[in-house]
Amino acid sequence: DTGVSQNPRHKITKRGQNVTFRCDPISEHNRLYWYRQTLGQGPEFLTYFQNEAQLEKSRLLSDRFSAERPKGSFSTLEIQRTEQGDSAMYLCASSLVVVNEQFFGPGTRLTVL
Amino acid sequence: AQKVTQAQTEISVVEKEDVTLDCVYETRDTTYYLFWYKQPPSGELVFLIRRNSFDEQNEISGRYSWNFQKSTSSFNFTITASQVVDSAVYFCALSVNTGTASKLTFGTGTRLQVTL
Repeated sequence: DTGVSQNPRHKITKRGQNVTFRCDPISEHNRLYWYRQTLGQGPEFLTYFQNEAQLEKSRLLSDRFSAERPKGSFSTLEIQRTEQGDSAMYLCASSLVVVNEQFFGPGTRLTVL
Repeated sequence: AQKVTQAQTEISVVEKEDVTLDCVYETRDTTYYLFWYKQPPSGELVFLIRRNSFDEQNEISGRYSWNFQKSTSSFNFTITASQVVDSAVYFCALSVNTGTASKLTFGTGTRLQVTL
């Protein structure tokens, strides 16, 4: 499979716990994006990497959220001290610098109890 | 700031009917890109098309066609002879060429239900 992959696909956690999600982009893609999608809404941009550099963060990304992309390959998104409002689908996408299409992974559905 | 409006929340059609999904966008940038994505019940967003702001030619791909009109800031999507497999949520999205990021701004989506 050469598409974008995300793990885990589902995560259920209790309020206050930390969670970490992983995204593996399409191998030759140097741009990687994280989005969040809540029920009935379109995805909202969270953050973006070009290679290993995090170049933009949305105001939606509170201090409890951190993302990394070591070595410019896979990326992780960590949420500390989860809140019920963090329950959402977290989507990862990747693209080439010179091509604007973003290809999305299947997402990680987070449920915070 | 960018904004995408999909006024149709949900559309139901009978198979073989044609259906048009509306998309209106707002941006002050002169260089931008418009997209349509399909999100089937499985949840994964599937890329359908990209248009740039300098190319107003309409495009047809099989049963799908897109009408881009800068004068009305619209980028509408028509499915001809709809099929049950077309049932999904369709998102219109916009990105601007900022030189660094090309994040997508999505509309709220239109849920299309095609029945037999």
